[in-house]
Amino acid sequence: AQSVAQPEDQVNVAEGNPLTVKCTYSVSGNPYLFWYVQYPNRGLQFLLKYITGDNLVKGSYGFEAEFNKSQTSFHLKKPSALVSDSALYFCAVRDMTAGTYKYIFGTGTRLKVLA
Amino acid sequence: ETGVTQTPRHLVMGMTNKKSLKCEQHLGHNAMYWYKQSAKKPLELMFVYNFKEQTENNSVPSRFSPECPNSSHLFLHLHTLQPEDSALYLCASSLRTSGGPYTDTQYFGPGTRLTVL
Repeated sequence: AQSVAQPEDQVNVAEGNPLTVKCTYSVSGNPYLFWYVQYPNRGLQFLLKYITGDNLVKGSYGFEAEFNKSQTSFHLKKPSALVSDSALYFCAVRDMTAGTYKYIFGTGTRLKVLA
Repeated sequence: ETGVTQTPRHLVMGMTNKKSLKCEQHLGHNAMYWYKQSAKKPLELMFVYNFKEQTENNSVPSRFSPECPNSSHLFLHLHTLQPEDSALYLCASSLRTSGGPYTDTQYFGPGTRLTVL
């Protein structure tokens, strides 16, 4: 079965420090992976996606993610965290089951950047 | 804003009421989605419409009834809901090109916070 896991409910990081939000996946075939962010009282906003090519994907607001096939991971990273990065982050994978148009989301990781 | 609007933003209803949620996208997309977001649970896909045709129904109870009159509008009709249906309901849209695999990016609305008493 296709799945995605975000092992941390919450990540705390000091402003200016690098941040990592973890995501691992399980799919059959090539994975198509996404990161979204949700600010309070807002819908999800797209950050970046990996389809093919370079394992390091750059996205919005200075975020990037590293695709690691051997570890089946797609961790979200940022070199220097801002207080305004505090939000709920979701990893998602395209369900490649034939005939389906689903995206499978993780449970989300709450990022708190402390001033 | 992402170009996807949802109304109302908040809704409180009794278990015997009938109400509808509305979603509208201004992005020229051809696929639309309903998701349910509950605390501490993964985002749950409910329905998918592709070119106004329903392509996914993720085992959603019949008290939820979707309607997609055109590729810009999506409704979720609610009747005889249960308290456990209280959640944030998110609409999304994407541009699906012909042929697979589909890797289109979804654009989400702000959601409707539904409370069932």
